Amino acid sequence: SQTIHQWPATLVQPVGSPLSLECTVEGTSNPNLYWYRQAAGRGLQLLFYSVGIGQISSEVPQNLSASRPQDRQFILSSKKLLLSDSGFYLCAWGRDGEKLFFGSGTQLSVL
Amino acid sequence: GQSLEQPSEVTAVEGAIVQINCTYQTSGFYGLSWYQQHDGGAPTFLSYNALDGLEETGRFSSFLSRSDSYGYLLLQELQMKDSASYFCAVSSGGYQKVTFGTGTKLQVIP
Repeated sequence: SQTIHQWPATLVQPVGSPLSLECTVEGTSNPNLYWYRQAAGRGLQLLFYSVGIGQISSEVPQNLSASRPQDRQFILSSKKLLLSDSGFYLCAWGRDGEKLFFGSGTQLSVL
Repeated sequence: GQSLEQPSEVTAVEGAIVQINCTYQTSGFYGLSWYQQHDGGAPTFLSYNALDGLEETGRFSSFLSRSDSYGYLLLQELQMKDSASYFCAVSSGGYQKVTFGTGTKLQVIP
């Protein structure tokens, strides 16, 4: 069966510090991978999605970036965090946009 | 770009039926899906419609009208555990791009 791992569960970072969140999928190959951000009590904002190694589509211009160095690995990064980067970050995988499977999420607080 | 609209909050009585609407504007539409999210948790998939009509899965049904850019989620025999946020999402751009709505917070009361 397929599983998706996302870590850490919580993270507290100072403004201006770097960020690296990692997501890995097991039990499937060539998945579509997604990064979403959710502010408290709000909807899911699509940040990046990838249909293959090295292929990244960016949806929102900001100081975040994403990379997919391996087929089942998706990384979200920032060189310098802003207060506005705080939120609940969710990684997900899917095949055809019909059904997404989400990781357990990372609650990021930038102070 | 894409935009999806849902009511922000809905309250319903245990055992009743509730309908959550979703209207969307998007280019290259492929399908509409629904997700449930409990507080502090990750979204979980409920249903998907690619064609017009009703899809039924147990107590949950989902409807799509492509010509009206409209869909809804119908929850029957409401239970307290159904209290959660519900999101519609559109697939576009060659299936892969999935954009979520703002979510509807459902409160089920005794």
